[in-house]
This record gives sequence, C-alpha cells and structure tokens, in this order.
Amino acid sequence: EIVLTQSPATLSLSPGERATLSCRASQSVSSYLGWYQQKPGQAPRLLIYDASNRATGIPARFSGSGSGTDFTLTISSLEPEDFAVYYCQQRSNWPRTFGQGTKLEIK
Amino acid sequence: EVQLLESGGGLVQPGGSLRLSCAASGFIFSSYAMTWVRQAPGKGLEWVSAISGSGDSTYYADSVKGRFTISRDKSTHTLYLQMNSLRAEDTAVYYCAKDRICRDCYSFFDYWGQGTLVTVSS
Repeated sequence: EIVLTQSPATLSLSPGERATLSCRASQSVSSYLGWYQQKPGQAPRLLIYDASNRATGIPARFSGSGSGTDFTLTISSLEPEDFAVYYCQQRSNWPRTFGQGTKLEIK
Repeated sequence: EVQLLESGGGLVQPGGSLRLSCAASGFIFSSYAMTWVRQAPGKGLEWVSAISGSGDSTYYADSVKGRFTISRDKSTHTLYLQMNSLRAEDTAVYYCAKDRICRDCYSFFDYWGQGTLVTVSS
C-alpha cells in the first residue's frame, strides 16, 4: 500500500498570504496524484488531478506540481473561503489511498 | 446537474449488517466507475471500495475485504454497499463518489454525495 504523508499537519496563515502544502508518497506514483479540499460538514471537493491539472471550476490561485514521490499544492493568495482541510490522493496503485490531511487555519 | 444521494445509514450493533444506497442522476451512470469513501468522526478520508461502470470489476480496501460488497444497478442508477460483520471501527460517514474520467479509470472523484453516517455500537 502506498502511504501518503502530508505536511505540515496544520498551517496557520493570513488572507492574502501564499500557502504551500506538501504530499510525499512512500513510492513513486508518477503524476497520478490529486488534491481535495474539505470544509466542516461538507463532502470533499476535487481541486487538482494528475498532479497539476485544475478540476472544473477551480480558481487559478490553486496550482499543483510535482511527480514521482514529492508533490505540492500552492494557493497563491489566500481567500477567506480557502481555510479548510486539504487531502492528497493517489490513483497509481491499489488500494487507492489518501494522505492524513493538512488543516489550513486562519492566523 | 450531477447528484449523488446516499441513504441507509444508522445505528447497528457490532456483528450486524447494513446496506447503503447511492442514487445517481445527471450523468450516464454506466459510463463511470463509482467509489465509496468513508470518514471516521474527526478523522481523515479512507478509500473503501470501487466498482467499474459495468459492475464486472470490484476492488476493496483490506480493512473491509470479505465483509463489504459493492454493487450497482444500471436500471435504477443506484450504487450499493452491503456491509456485514460490522465493527466499531467501521463507524464513519460514508460517501459515494463518481469517477472523473470513465467506466474503468478508477481515477479521482469529481462529484460526491453528502454522506450517510453509520454508527456501530452496542
């Protein structure tokens, strides 16, 4: 099973700042990594698929990069609605796995 | 508009059974793989099971293999999760989700239901 490790566990930033979230895989997943955002009481929302492609309707301030084992989700300038929990997920191997999440909180 | 509506959650005793349903609309149901993902209270996301668009191929997490069965009904556009031999650690919100790409892709999930809570407790 591929283990995805996200860091940091919690990130405290202010609106307008740049956020950088990391996801590291225990073995290569090529570019088969995605990112989701989840707000309290809501289902997850797909942000990025295959490492760097924005899903439909996702603002351009969200971008993804990386390949192999190291991936990054960047939010260029935080909006108030961006404070949430973010999860990475791989589709390279069975079983599909998620990272443990990074909580992005308001500083 | 794509909609996924789960139902069937509730309180069940350890060792009991429950069947979850996910009613799908707004897309060609048989053209997409479907997945169940769960989230224990206050915890992260856990992939549970996936099924191809035809229903011929199924996949399970080790934690539920042999106890849970995923299936789909193309005539009613409904996804199911039959859960047997339930344990306390199966307590979670269960989400159904639609594959982003195709019937056999098992990729990422672009639409999710609102979730249904399963509580396993005596």
